[in-house]
Amino acid sequence: GNSVTQMEGPVTLSEEAFLTINCTYTATGYPSLFWYVQYPGEGLQLLLKATKADDKGSNKGFEATYRKETTSFHLEKGSVQVSDSAVYFCALSDPVTGNQFYFGTGTSLTVIP
Amino acid sequence: GAGVSQSPSNKVTEKGKDVELRCDPISGHTALYWYRQRLGQGLEFLIYFQGNSAPDKSGLPSDRFSAERTGESVSTLTIQRTQQEDSAVYLCASSQVPSGGEFLAATQYFGPGTRLTVL
Repeated sequence: GNSVTQMEGPVTLSEEAFLTINCTYTATGYPSLFWYVQYPGEGLQLLLKATKADDKGSNKGFEATYRKETTSFHLEKGSVQVSDSAVYFCALSDPVTGNQFYFGTGTSLTVIP
Repeated sequence: GAGVSQSPSNKVTEKGKDVELRCDPISGHTALYWYRQRLGQGLEFLIYFQGNSAPDKSGLPSDRFSAERTGESVSTLTIQRTQQEDSAVYLCASSQVPSGGEFLAATQYFGPGTRLTVL
């Protein structure tokens, strides 16, 4: 079946540190992959996505590359800011219909000044 | 423009009571999804609507759960005879299928959720 496994948190980093949040997936076909972010007190919002192998999604300094060979979609940022403190969710869309999304459990990130 | 809205934002109910949760999707979005998020867990898919039909109800956990949608507008998730295990945040999302019908690339836009507590 389809599933997403992401790095457990919480993660605490100092400002300007390098961030990696690991995400691996299992899928029967060729899914699209997403990172969603939930800032404190707000709803989930799309951070970036990639729809096919070797695609790189990027937004707000965050990047993730769709790696089919390692079934991974790790989220990275070179220099985090306090405003990046949030919960990050990795997700994939069902490769057969695209209608059902599978989410990881979320990784809480706190960036301290 | 307005995003996805959900009501109520919080609901506290007694075990055995019925509850209705409402979702207003983004205007023009044909697809609507319901998810459940238990404390410390990921999002659990419940049901998906395309227009007012529900081709995928596979995630509904029991026959106490039902959902309906009026046209391409409001959706209601009903939980009958609530149990304590139903306590969770219920999230709604909507999406517009890209012009090529490519569901795989459709971005879901989430509402703020309804926090349900069953005592």
